Amino acid sequence: QQQVKQSPQSLIVQKGGISIINCAYENTAFDYFPWYQQFPGKGPALLIAIRPDVSEKKEGRFTISFNKSAKQFSLHIMDSQPGDSATYFCAVTMGRRALTFGSGTRLQVQP
Amino acid sequence: ETGVTQSPTHLIKTRGQQVTLRCSSQSGHNTVSWYQQALGQGPQFIFQYYREEENGRGNFPPRFSGLQFPNYSSELNVNALELDDSALYLCASSPRDRAVNYGYTFGSGTRLTVV
Repeated sequence: QQQVKQSPQSLIVQKGGISIINCAYENTAFDYFPWYQQFPGKGPALLIAIRPDVSEKKEGRFTISFNKSAKQFSLHIMDSQPGDSATYFCAVTMGRRALTFGSGTRLQVQP
Repeated sequence: ETGVTQSPTHLIKTRGQQVTLRCSSQSGHNTVSWYQQALGQGPQFIFQYYREEENGRGNFPPRFSGLQFPNYSSELNVNALELDDSALYLCASSPRDRAVNYGYTFGSGTRLTVV
């Protein structure tokens, strides 16, 4: 059973546009929802994370929107830049358990 | 503050051989997790080590084993390598003693190719 489903698989956005990536989960016990950014040849790097007691968290151009009732959360990248071109992974976990990752979204921001 | 370092960066092995991958955790982090990332996929949890003991394991066979040392560094050992073991192996460290999960710091990984 896939614990977290991520979409879309790939995304092409023009420079200055908004990139939106979505994730859906099943287990309501999850209590930590991070997004990771991964560049080729590198490990994933934590971008932003949210807990289920808030509906939105913003850090610079990156925003997580969290819908507890729908069991969905999304990453919004405002004013997307070519340097944002990377693969993005959502993840879920509970307590101190290991992360379960989504399948990834390959983002390409065209100049 | 040093990050997570992994060695080697690349490795080619023959099917049936054994391999050992190494990881030094970030300063102040006492928990180490290992993940396998196949090409085009998300990382899959292998196992986690805390206080030198395995503390959680994903859906991987026993030929995947590990160690954690008193300085919190860790090794991942894979016996009887199979072609499907070809992947990027990621090590991640975290400060276990916090009350909640504050996320993991990942290394750049070891790219293992089994031929």
